[in-house]
Amino acid sequence: EPEVTQTPSHQVTQMGQEVILRCVPISNHLYFYWYRQILGQKVEFLVSFYNNEISEKSEIFDDQFSVERPDGSNFTLKIRSTKLEDSAMYFCASIRGAYTGELFFGEGSRLTVL
Amino acid sequence: SQQGEEDPQALSIQEGENATMNCSYKTSINNLQWYRQNSGRGLVHLILIRSNEREKHSGRLRVTLDTSKKSSSLLITASRAADTASYFCATDLIQGAQKLVFGQGTRLTINP
Repeated sequence: EPEVTQTPSHQVTQMGQEVILRCVPISNHLYFYWYRQILGQKVEFLVSFYNNEISEKSEIFDDQFSVERPDGSNFTLKIRSTKLEDSAMYFCASIRGAYTGELFFGEGSRLTVL
Repeated sequence: SQQGEEDPQALSIQEGENATMNCSYKTSINNLQWYRQNSGRGLVHLILIRSNEREKHSGRLRVTLDTSKKSSSLLITASRAADTASYFCATDLIQGAQKLVFGQGTRLTINP
């Protein structure tokens, strides 16, 4: 069964460092998402991406964040200068077409900022 | 303000009992979905109910939707220890679509 894969599963970084989280969505999916979940809290929407551009982003997704799909396969989330409060689980998700059904989530990348 | 609020925040029952979780939301929706999350893992889709549906079943799951009250419930019948997880409702808003908005979740513990 096709699945969304994310790497790394866990990354530890120093405050102020750049981090790139990678995702490989399901191959025939067209819409891609990043969500964040701080430990014990709700799952928060960060950004949606379609047709090689951001379609919507939340207030959390400030200038420190960026996304790109460099090669038609990977979908990356970059945090330019990490803060302590960026420590969270980051989930990538994808969906095949215009929004009508379930999102397929990856297992997440746990980011720890020290 | 929160779009999705689950109730209760935590629920602990004995194996074999039924578990009911509720979700309330504030704005009009296209559909409402329930997801499950095992500790430290990704979210897994359970069931989707559209705004023009009132009830839906899938195996041991039963979901209801009351758009007049802007609320939904998830019933898990004959619970098993393996049902222990967090359960989230998620809404697809009519305005600002192409994303899901998740509630706070209900932490369900099934005691053997």
